[in-house]
Amino acid sequence: GAGVSQSPRYKVAKRGQDVALRCDPISGHVSLFWYQQALGQGPEFLTYFQNEAQLDKSGLPSDRFFAERPEGSVSTLKIQRTQQEDSAVYLCASSPQGQGNYGYTFGSGTRLTVV
Amino acid sequence: GENVEQHPSTLSVQEGDSAVIKCTYSDSASNYFPWYKQELGKGPQLIIDIRSNVGEKKDQRIAVTLNKTAKHFSLHITETQPEDSAVYFCAASYGNNRLAFGKGNQVVVIP
Repeated sequence: GAGVSQSPRYKVAKRGQDVALRCDPISGHVSLFWYQQALGQGPEFLTYFQNEAQLDKSGLPSDRFFAERPEGSVSTLKIQRTQQEDSAVYLCASSPQGQGNYGYTFGSGTRLTVV
Repeated sequence: GENVEQHPSTLSVQEGDSAVIKCTYSDSASNYFPWYKQELGKGPQLIIDIRSNVGEKKDQRIAVTLNKTAKHFSLHITETQPEDSAVYFCAASYGNNRLAFGKGNQVVVIP
C-alpha cells in the first residue's frame, strides 16, 4: 500500500496477557520507529530501526517491551505480561532516510486497552 | 533529553481568521522541527517542517517561524477553514532520528 499499515487497529488484552502489534512500513523505507501515545498526550519515542538493526531502544519503558524487524521491512512490537499502564495508542512510523533527522510518515496506530 | 512545551492547549478561532500555536524547546542541539496534524482516530500527519538554518518557511496557508536564540518556534495558519480543526503537535529532534513531541493543541475552527 501507499502508507504505513498497522494491525490490529484495536486490541483488548486482559492484564498479564502477551500482545503482538504489527507494522508494515512504506516499501523501501530504511528507518522504522515505534512511538507510544497516551490519551491526551503527544507521542513518546520507544525504539528505532535502520533496516534490520535496532539502533536505539532507549525509550522502551521496561524489559516487558520487545521489538524486532528481522528482514528490514515488517516490524513487530511485543509486550509481555501487559499491565494497565500499557494502555495507549502504539504508533509506527517510517522514513526513507537512514541518517539525519527527517519527517516521518505515521500509521493510524493500534489502540491497546488492558483490562 | 529534549523537553518540548506547547501552548495554548485549546484554541478556538472564527473561520477565516488566523491561528497561531507556539512551542518552546530545551535542547540547543535540536536542529529539526516538524509540525504534525492529528485527526480523531488517525495517526499524526506531517504538515510542515523547518531546519535550524532557516528562520521561516511557508506552504500555502501554513507557515512556521523559528527563533533559535529564544528556542521557540510557531505555527501560523491563515484563512482558517473547518477542515483545519484537529490536534496539532510540534516536535523537536534530539539524538539521531528521535523526535520529542509537545502535548498538542486542539484547534477548533468555528464556521
